[in-house]
Amino acid sequence: NAGVMQNPRHLVRRRGQEARLRCSPMKGHSHVYWYRQLPEEGLKFMVYLQKENIIDESGMPKERFSAEFPKEGPSILRIQQVVRGDSAAYFCASSRSDGAYGYTFGSGTRLTVV
Amino acid sequence: GEDVEQSLFLSVREGDSSVINCTYTDSSSTYLYWYKQEPGAGLQLLTYIFSNMDMKQDQRLTVLLNKKDKHLSLRIADTQTGDSAIYFCAENFSGNTGKLIFGQGTTLQVKP
Repeated sequence: NAGVMQNPRHLVRRRGQEARLRCSPMKGHSHVYWYRQLPEEGLKFMVYLQKENIIDESGMPKERFSAEFPKEGPSILRIQQVVRGDSAAYFCASSRSDGAYGYTFGSGTRLTVV
Repeated sequence: GEDVEQSLFLSVREGDSSVINCTYTDSSSTYLYWYKQEPGAGLQLLTYIFSNMDMKQDQRLTVLLNKKDKHLSLRIADTQTGDSAIYFCAENFSGNTGKLIFGQGTTLQVKP
């Protein structure tokens, strides 16, 4: 069981470029969550998805950020026209249903915008 | 409201017990969690407690929940240097959309 797989582990982008972060949930998990961790802070919820559905995107910035979880393939968090303030660690988590038995987190993607 | 508070730093000597505290605001949370984060790594689920429980013990870890005061604590017995990490408590927000609200994390430093 490979756990939650995120790639890339580290991503460097210049201001104005696009960043694509990928997350493959644990086998048997159909719920995916994205969180952002700014330096020296806790994790902040961004979005919750099930296959082909966005369930809760209350933590997503209104512009430049989007997420999807297609029927086939990993979940993608996309950040368009990145700015320095987007530099953070982005974590993906997955769960079987409503997460009652805990959420399994990936190792994160550390995005640096230069 | 959504708010989880933790103290930022705790230092203990190896072999002592560590107690990390957390307060939360959403009284209808069904589960509360403790996660451990080592430098440069993701979050590792340590334990969780259902809201109708007062205590849960798992080897060196003891979780105490005081629902009246909305207070959660994690006790680590016989703390080792390998326990040095950041510890996050999190609540499962009552909207039940799978949204976890995290505290800002407590850095545990274990001195030999």
